[in-house]
Amino acid sequence: DAMVIQNPRYQVTQFGKPVTLSCSQTLNHNVMYWYQQKSSQAPKLLFHYYDKDFNNEADTPDNFQSRRPNTSFCFLDIRSPGLGDAAMYLCATSRDRWNQETQYFGPGTRLLVL
Amino acid sequence: DQQVKQNSPSLSVQEGRISILNCDYTNSMFDYFLWYKKYPAEGPTFLISISSIKDKNEDGRFTVFLNKSAKHLSLHIVPSQPGDSAVYFCATQSEAGGTSYGKLTFGQGTILTVHP
Repeated sequence: DAMVIQNPRYQVTQFGKPVTLSCSQTLNHNVMYWYQQKSSQAPKLLFHYYDKDFNNEADTPDNFQSRRPNTSFCFLDIRSPGLGDAAMYLCATSRDRWNQETQYFGPGTRLLVL
Repeated sequence: DQQVKQNSPSLSVQEGRISILNCDYTNSMFDYFLWYKKYPAEGPTFLISISSIKDKNEDGRFTVFLNKSAKHLSLHIVPSQPGDSAVYFCATQSEAGGTSYGKLTFGQGTILTVHP
């Protein structure tokens, strides 16, 4: 089955220690998104890639970076995690980025910062 | 400034009855509305959507209603089944183009529990 895969499912890091979360997709979609969801809050878009074109949301902290080395993979790098960055991180894909294109989500990576 | 709100954190319903989940939004530029369903340990999955040119869209047991004047969206599940127990997120999109590329803005979610 075509799908969106996130590794690891749980990640524990130390305050200030860089961490990378991984997302891969077998859907061959052009667009890949990263959302942050804190406890009992709405998922919030951090940024997206349209093919190789990186698009950052205006309120995404500089501490968050992303890489997309090829169509299938996208990485979320948190350069210096703070306690407030503990959250579920969801990766999603869509065929295109126009309105009404369905976004397909991975299961998420839960990040704990000690 | 939360643009999409689901004011009920949870809803409990008996099997066979109707479940009604509600969502309010503030931005009149939103013109496409979606519901996603999320089971534990899984990502959200698309359930049903509606364009702003319609006021109702139906798919089997699921119906979404849109009241543009009230900026209100609701999801009806009839009849409710125990397998419907999940977190339901409403989401909106603004018209694509320019910097508005179809970004999803989510509500906080409502936990639906359907009791046998």
